[in-house]
Amino acid sequence: DAGVIQSPRHEVTEMGQEVTLRCKPISGHDYLFWYRQTMMRGLELLIYFNNNVPIDDSGMPEDRFSAKMPNASFSTLKIQPSEPRDSAVYFCASSYLPSNYGYTFGSGTRLTVV
Amino acid sequence: GENVEQHPSTLSVQEGDSAVIKCTYSDSASNYFPWYKQELGKRPQLIIDIRSNVGEKKDQRIAVTLNKTAKHFSLHITETQPEDSAVYFCAASLSGNTGKLIFGQGTTLQVKP
Repeated sequence: DAGVIQSPRHEVTEMGQEVTLRCKPISGHDYLFWYRQTMMRGLELLIYFNNNVPIDDSGMPEDRFSAKMPNASFSTLKIQPSEPRDSAVYFCASSYLPSNYGYTFGSGTRLTVV
Repeated sequence: GENVEQHPSTLSVQEGDSAVIKCTYSDSASNYFPWYKQELGKRPQLIIDIRSNVGEKKDQRIAVTLNKTAKHFSLHITETQPEDSAVYFCAASLSGNTGKLIFGQGTTLQVKP
């Protein structure tokens, strides 16, 4: 298995632009998580899905952030409009609850908003 | 809400010494406790985990201990090497089979050669 695949690896965008981050979880995993990592706040859970259904989006900072999971093999995190304070590394992770909780993280997307 | 406290935030040791990182959790129903290692610029990777029915688990130079009564667990690294330098995160599962982990704030470990 190729693991959790995220794209793009790096994104530089101007303030006000729309940004879309993509994630392909490990096949067979039924949970998908979006995290944001910054030096100040560490790893923050933004939203997670179970069987493609959003379960908890209480970590989504504000209405500018949205996430979808149209099928078991794809999820997106969208920021519109982007702001400099959104600059961070965004990780996607997936897991299979019945076997263990251990997440497998993707390589992350480093977002810079200028 | 539920949380996980991790200490220390930074740790510096000499090569060959041991390193210990401690975490406490608040959800008494937590039953799964993984540890992740994140090297600079890379993804967090699972290095060891323990379940609530076990008090200790060891894998070569790393070990984890769990005290359910006190609600704390620790990572022990023996004979540290420079390649152990990284940020280490502990985590605890939430009760209710939510599939969700709560992460600690991380410990930056520096192993000096």
